Order: sequence, then C-alpha cells, then structure tokens
Amino acid sequence: NAGVMQNPRHLVRRRGQEARLRCSPMKGHSHVYWYRQLPEEGLKFMVYLQKENIIDESGMPKERFSAEFPKEGPSILRIQQVVRGDSAAYFCASSPPSSYREQFFGPGTRLTVL
Amino acid sequence: QQQVKQSPQSLIVQKGGISIINCAYENTAFDYFPWYQQFPGKGPALLIAIRPDVSEKKEGRFTISFNKSAKQFSLHIMDSQPGDSATYFCAASTGGGNKLTFGTGTQLKVEL
Repeated sequence: NAGVMQNPRHLVRRRGQEARLRCSPMKGHSHVYWYRQLPEEGLKFMVYLQKENIIDESGMPKERFSAEFPKEGPSILRIQQVVRGDSAAYFCASSPPSSYREQFFGPGTRLTVL
Repeated sequence: QQQVKQSPQSLIVQKGGISIINCAYENTAFDYFPWYQQFPGKGPALLIAIRPDVSEKKEGRFTISFNKSAKQFSLHIMDSQPGDSATYFCAASTGGGNKLTFGTGTQLKVEL
C-alpha cells in the first residue's frame, strides 16, 4: 500500500507566480489535511478536506490560498501571487474513515520563493 | 496562542540511555495525543499515540506517559540508538475536529 504521495517534491517560484501543490492520499483514505512547516518550527494546520468538501479551513490565510479535493484526482493546494514569506515545507496527511484520528504524512513539497 | 508547549528544544543522549521529551497543553478539550518522528527532508511519521483514559502506553522502546490532571504528557525512548536521532513532535487534537496542534519539536541526537 503506497503511502501519501506529494508532488512536486521541490518547487521554485518567483514572487507573484502561482504555486500548485498536489497530494494523493493513501488508498482508502478519504480525509486529507494540509500543514505548513516554516524553518525551525513545528507544523501548522491549514485545512481539512473530504471529497468535494472543505471541512475546516481555520488555518488558511484569508487571501491567496485555496484548497480542493475533487471527486476524482488529487487534492490541490493553490497559492496565488506567492511572496517570500510563503517559502516553507507543505505537508499533506491523510486518514482512513475507520480511524480518522490517525494522520499519515507525505514527504512534503518544499516551496522556495525567489 | 501556542496550545502545546514542548521541551527541551534539543537533547543529546548517549547510546543506550533514555531520552525524555515533555509536552504540556492548555486546551482541556484535547483527547488524542500522538507523537511524530521526522528525519531531515522527510515527512513526520506517526510513532505512538495515547488517549486520556490511560496513563501509559508502550510500544517497543517507545512509551508515552500521560498526566491528565497536570495536562502533561511525555515520550520516553528506552535504549536510545543513533538511528533514533531525529526531530520529535508531540501533537494534540480534539474530538470535535481532526486538526492536529503540534509542539515546536525536539531535536534528538544520540551519540555513540
């Protein structure tokens, strides 16, 4: 059973460009979470999604950030008009419906904004 | 407001020794407390988790101790090995939501 997959693993963008981060949850997992990790800091919750629904977006910045988890395909975290402060590691996690408290993390996407 | 405080920030232990990492929380609604291990360049991996209805949980060399009245929990790594050198995060979540609130992490180094 493959783990949580994220791509790209590394992403470089210039200020003002858009960043799209993709996450494929583990097979059978229907809950997806996005977290951000700034250098030398812990992970901060951003958003929790189920298929076609945003359940909790209390950690998402009000502007430029959006997330989706369509019926088909991976979950997408989209950052518009990136700024240097967006440089961080973005982790996706998934959990199964039978044990939704256990979150399994992907390898992360490291975003660098030049 | 930081809701989970983790200490120490870094820890050096000799091979074979016991590594102890502590966390304290404020939100009494937290009812699930996992620990994650993260190696450089990797995602966090779930190590062990506990719920407040038990005071201790052991899995192999890893033990969580939980003190509900003090709102504290700790990770003990017995017989620490160089391969345990990593960053460890405690976390907590409530029954009403799934989001994890993480501590700031402890960098553990196990020396030969």
